[in-house]
Amino acid sequence: EAGVAQSPRYKIIEKRQSVAFWCNPISGHATLYWYQQILGQGPKLLIQFQNNGVVDDSQLPKDRFSAERLKGVDSTLKIQPAKLEDSAVYLCASSHWGSGRASTDTQYFGPGTRLTVL
Amino acid sequence: AQSVTQLDSHVSVSEGTPVLLRCNYSSSYSPSLFWYVQHPNKGLQLLLKYTSAATLVKGINGFEAEFKKSETSFHLTKPSAHMSDAAEYFCVVTLSGNTPLVFGKGTRLSVIA
Repeated sequence: EAGVAQSPRYKIIEKRQSVAFWCNPISGHATLYWYQQILGQGPKLLIQFQNNGVVDDSQLPKDRFSAERLKGVDSTLKIQPAKLEDSAVYLCASSHWGSGRASTDTQYFGPGTRLTVL
Repeated sequence: AQSVTQLDSHVSVSEGTPVLLRCNYSSSYSPSLFWYVQHPNKGLQLLLKYTSAATLVKGINGFEAEFKKSETSFHLTKPSAHMSDAAEYFCVVTLSGNTPLVFGKGTRLSVIA
């Protein structure tokens, strides 16, 4: 089965510019996540979707970050305006949605988008 | 709240020798625990996961981890390191179902020929 797809793979912008990232999850996966991975750290959750509804966006800097998941499939993450500290790899992950914990916890990650803000 | 502490930021081993990457977790409830590996410029790949079944979990590429509740540990081991094992390894904790993953800071594994 095809994995999680992300684009672009790399993006370089100047501060105060805007940027958007795209994610296509594994077919049939109802849950989609965006993580931010700053160099030298583990990924940190930004937002979680269940179908096209937001489950958790408590860590999303809403003054500059926004995300949507139209029709419960693809998702876009936008930053406007970008700051120097937004330089990071942005990872998209997806998983099945199930009522039990046994086999539905696994999140599958895309290759990420490396953002450099100058 | 859940958290994980990876006790070593960098581990270096010789090819063919055992690998031990240490992880301690903190969780108010029975957690699910994972190890992910990240090769340079590649996405995160699941090595193995623990979800309250057998405490000794076997993963891909010869890795395994043992869940020890009394020690709140979930250390990753491999009997014999290979050059291709050189990568960043993340210990991860979550609650049940589809809750967000909480990552450790990572351990960089170097394998010396």
